[in-house]
Amino acid sequence: DAGVTQSPTHLIKTRGQQVTLRCSPISGHKSVSWYQQVLGQGPQFIFQYYEKEERGRGNFPDRFSARQFPNYSSELNVNALLLGDSALYLCASSSLLAGELFFGEGSRLTVL
Amino acid sequence: TQLLEQSPQFLSIQEGENLTVYCNSSSVFSSLQWYRQEPGEGPVLLVTVVTGGEVKKLKRLTFQFGDARKDSSLHITAAQPGDTGLYLCLRGSNTGKLIFGQGTTLQVKP
Repeated sequence: DAGVTQSPTHLIKTRGQQVTLRCSPISGHKSVSWYQQVLGQGPQFIFQYYEKEERGRGNFPDRFSARQFPNYSSELNVNALLLGDSALYLCASSSLLAGELFFGEGSRLTVL
Repeated sequence: TQLLEQSPQFLSIQEGENLTVYCNSSSVFSSLQWYRQEPGEGPVLLVTVVTGGEVKKLKRLTFQFGDARKDSSLHITAAQPGDTGLYLCLRGSNTGKLIFGQGTTLQVKP
């Protein structure tokens, strides 16, 4: 069975640009959540979607947005990129709203 | 606002030593999960604790949930180099917000 897949795995952008990250959950999982992680620290929660509705939002600016599609895949968009947005972006899926999280390997974003 | 305090943030020990990692909150939480993350990978679930006072064992790892459900600990006996990684606690929530602790980086030297 395929695990959580994320794309792209690595990308480089410049300040002011926009980026879209994609996530495909494990088949049958209806919840997807997004996290930002800097090296050596715990992931910071950005969004959670369940059944295509936003169920939780972390303390991130409005430049960050996300959506979940009918097939439960998800996209995270970040506008007007800043140097500080450079990080590993993790996506996790779960079968329940508060169940075990299964993570992808992440998308590493570098903003120059 | 960081709702989970994890300590220590970094731990470097020799193979065979024991260690304990702590995860504390000022408020009660319904459940707590422990994850381990290796470089280049996403976190992987180790255990979920739900009941106050609960103790769970996973080989050389022992997890405890505080009686008041405000704290948890992870104890590793006779650490091995394969235990090296970032250990994370995650607070359970039905509000939609998923809060991780800051993480404990463990390095076990052979």
